[in-house]
Amino acid sequence: DAGVTQSPTHLIKTRGQQVTLRCSPKSGHDTVSWYQQALGQGPQFIFQYYEEEERQRGNFPDRFSGHQFPNYSSELNVNALLLGDSALYLCASSLGGSHEQYFGPGTRLTVT
Amino acid sequence: KQEVTQIPAALSVPEGENLVLNCSFTDSAIYNLQWFRQDPGKGLTSLLLIQSSQREQTSGRLNASLDKSSGRSTLYIAASQPGDSATYLCAVGGNNDMRFGAGTRLTVKP
Repeated sequence: DAGVTQSPTHLIKTRGQQVTLRCSPKSGHDTVSWYQQALGQGPQFIFQYYEEEERQRGNFPDRFSGHQFPNYSSELNVNALLLGDSALYLCASSLGGSHEQYFGPGTRLTVT
Repeated sequence: KQEVTQIPAALSVPEGENLVLNCSFTDSAIYNLQWFRQDPGKGLTSLLLIQSSQREQTSGRLNASLDKSSGRSTLYIAASQPGDSATYLCAVGGNNDMRFGAGTRLTVKP
């Protein structure tokens, strides 16, 4: 049984560009949450998707958007990248929104 | 807004020592509390999940407790080993979100 997978592993972008990160949930899970983890800090909740809709959102600007597909996989899009967007982006899946979360290995985004 | 604090920020102990990591949160209206381990540059590995109706959970050398009324959780690690060296994160599960502390960086010296 594959766990949560994320792609790509690493990404380098330039300020002002746009980026798309991808996540496939653990088999049987229907909910995907995204987190941003800056160096030396705990993960910060970005948003959660369920039934292809954003169900909850953290304190992130509209430059951060997402999508969930019918197969429950998800994408995180970030527009107009800033240097401060450099971080590890983590995806977590769960069965329902308030249940145990399983995390993927993350995507390391570097903005230069 | 839920605030989660972990103390200490870093801890160094000799191998074999028992230790306690602390987590506090400001809003007691939680669904669950989860402890994670994170190795440098890696994702999160779930260690223990405590539902809001539970008081503690155990897995091997790990024991986690939850006191909702005081807004506290502890992670107890027995007989620590060098392989336990990592950052330990506490996360409080709310209504369709999860809030993390900044973590405790643990070093176990041989």
